[in-house]
Amino acid sequence: SQKIEQNSEALNIQEGKTATLTCNYTNYSPAYLQWYRQDPGRGPVFLLLIRENEKEKRKERLKVTFDTTLKQSLFHITASQPADSATYLCALEGNNRLAFGKGNQVVVIP
Amino acid sequence: GAVVSQHPSWVICKSGTSVKIECRSLDFQATTMFWYRQFPKQSLMLMATSNEGSKATYEQGVEKDKFLINHASLTLSTLTVTSAHPEDSSFYICSAREGTVHYEQYFGPGTRLTVT
Repeated sequence: SQKIEQNSEALNIQEGKTATLTCNYTNYSPAYLQWYRQDPGRGPVFLLLIRENEKEKRKERLKVTFDTTLKQSLFHITASQPADSATYLCALEGNNRLAFGKGNQVVVIP
Repeated sequence: GAVVSQHPSWVICKSGTSVKIECRSLDFQATTMFWYRQFPKQSLMLMATSNEGSKATYEQGVEKDKFLINHASLTLSTLTVTSAHPEDSSFYICSAREGTVHYEQYFGPGTRLTVT
């Protein structure tokens, strides 16, 4: 069956450090993968998209990698700030629709 | 940038009543709109896809007679939860797409439905 797996445990990280989140998928062959941020009681906000032929994508303090052999994407927040505290969702295209992981909560401790 | 609004942001209703949720694209024309449901600490689950002027396509396991979707114009889609029950309590999120590219979806802020 198709799965998108993100760590269910919250990541607690000290301000200024780099937070790294993992997204693993099974039985998908996505042409692209996306990362979203979701705050409590709010809809997802798009952050980054990376295509299958791209190894790495950066946007300000965010960096995403995409390894189609490992079927994995890593999401990095460098120089993390308390305002980065949120849940981060990975999403990928499958069966003509976006499929989402459950999300991984990040808590940045001042 | 592309903005999608939802109304209401939260609603409480009694069991057996119906509730309508609106989703609007504010600065673009949405050829396709999507409705998702999200339970606490769970992923967004696609309920249905609607194209303007045509019937919605529902995902497997979603009752089309219970969750009525109307995409009457290029900027408005509505989701009506009919004869709501407590198990329908959830966070409902819509998204809208202007073109045909799957990844260019813009999400609304969500609607929290509580059925008592």
